[in-house]
Formats: sequence, C-alpha cells, structure tokens
Amino acid sequence: EVQLLESGGGLVQPGGSLRLSCAGSGFIFPSHGVHWVRQAPGKGLEWVSGISGNGDSTYYADSVKGRFTISRDTAKNTVFLQLSSLRAEDAALYYCARDPTATVIAATHFDFWGLGTLVTVSS
Amino acid sequence: EVVLTQSPATMSLSAGEGATLSCRASQSISSYLNWYQQKPGQAPRLLIYDASTRATGIPAKFSGSGSGTDFTLTISSLEPEDFAVYYCQQRIHWPPTFGGGAKVEIK
Repeated sequence: EVQLLESGGGLVQPGGSLRLSCAGSGFIFPSHGVHWVRQAPGKGLEWVSGISGNGDSTYYADSVKGRFTISRDTAKNTVFLQLSSLRAEDAALYYCARDPTATVIAATHFDFWGLGTLVTVSS
Repeated sequence: EVVLTQSPATMSLSAGEGATLSCRASQSISSYLNWYQQKPGQAPRLLIYDASTRATGIPAKFSGSGSGTDFTLTISSLEPEDFAVYYCQQRIHWPPTFGGGAKVEIK
C-alpha cells in the first residue's frame, strides 16, 4: 500500500525556518517524483515544489523560489522541504503528493497524497 | 500560468440527484485535466485523470469529459459520501495549477 507521511510542521515566527519531511513507503521510491502542495486555511490548493525521482531536477512556484529548497534522501525514502524567510502567507497545510512518473515535469497528475503537516507563521 | 475557473462554486443538491461540475481553462490544455475530491479534514483524492480516465478504485458514477478549454465532472446519483469539494488541475503548462474548487453540499 502506497503511503506518504509528512512531518515537521509547527509554529514559527515570520522570517524563521522550518524543515518538512515526507516519508514514502509501499512503492519504489526512486521511480517517482514527489511534489509539495499547500492549502491555506479555508482556501484552495497551490502547487509549491517538485523533485524528480533521482533528485536531479527540482522546480518551484514563483511565490517560494529562493526561499524554499526541496531535496530527497533515497536511502531513507524521504523528501524534504526546507522553508526559509517564512511569511504570514506561507501558513498552510503542506501535503506531499506522489508523481506517477519519475520526471515531475510530465503532463500528468498527483496519484497519492499524504495527510499533510501544518505550518503556522505568527509572532 | 493557466488559470482554471470552476463553476458553480457551490452546488446544493439532495442525495440521489446528479451533479455536473465545470472547469474552464484560460488556454488549451488538450486532455490533460485531472479531478480530485477532498472531504473535510482529509487529503485530496485523485478521481479522474487525463480528462476522462477514472483512477484506481473510483466507481463508475464519476465520469469526466472535455478537451481544449472546457471540462466537466459528472457525478450520478449522489450518495452521502460524495458531498465534498472537487478540484480540477492541469500540468501540461508549467507550473501546475488548480481550480478554486467546487463544493457539493447537501440541500
């Protein structure tokens, strides 16, 4: 059974940093890209970042480029999202979602999602 | 980026009725349109990909159609578990974008 489990969310002050983790199981981890998608309270879904199966290709939304960094540790079947210079508008539930392909850039969908980890930005 | 506009934003229907949800893209996305269902407190679940292909385990009461800029998700005979928010999404044009969501609520 495919499972994605996010962790690392919490309360952080504006300008602060946080590292989110997404642990995958039940599938061949390097064969799939992984994305982060966020949802602000009561709002819709926003794609944030994606990383290819081998970790060589990374992509970011303009709203987070230069502040967030995505990476993956294949040995641990885990994808990370480092959040820096956090702003109030970054507060959201952050989901990781699996790509059915290894490339991330393909015109496809998000086939499995985790339950999310909540990031709160407040002083 | 491609803007996806969903309509109506909210539908109030009774169990047993059918629902038709619309998603319009700001430019052609061929058939690369996906639909997700999200229930309160849950993660989104993939329903339909490539406009009309049901994801694994999705019942036949969910169907998708359309191409180019206009797409439709049809739910036949609503059951209590179908009342949720539905999102459309595209990935053929970077970055991936989602529609604003359409809530199907109990009348």
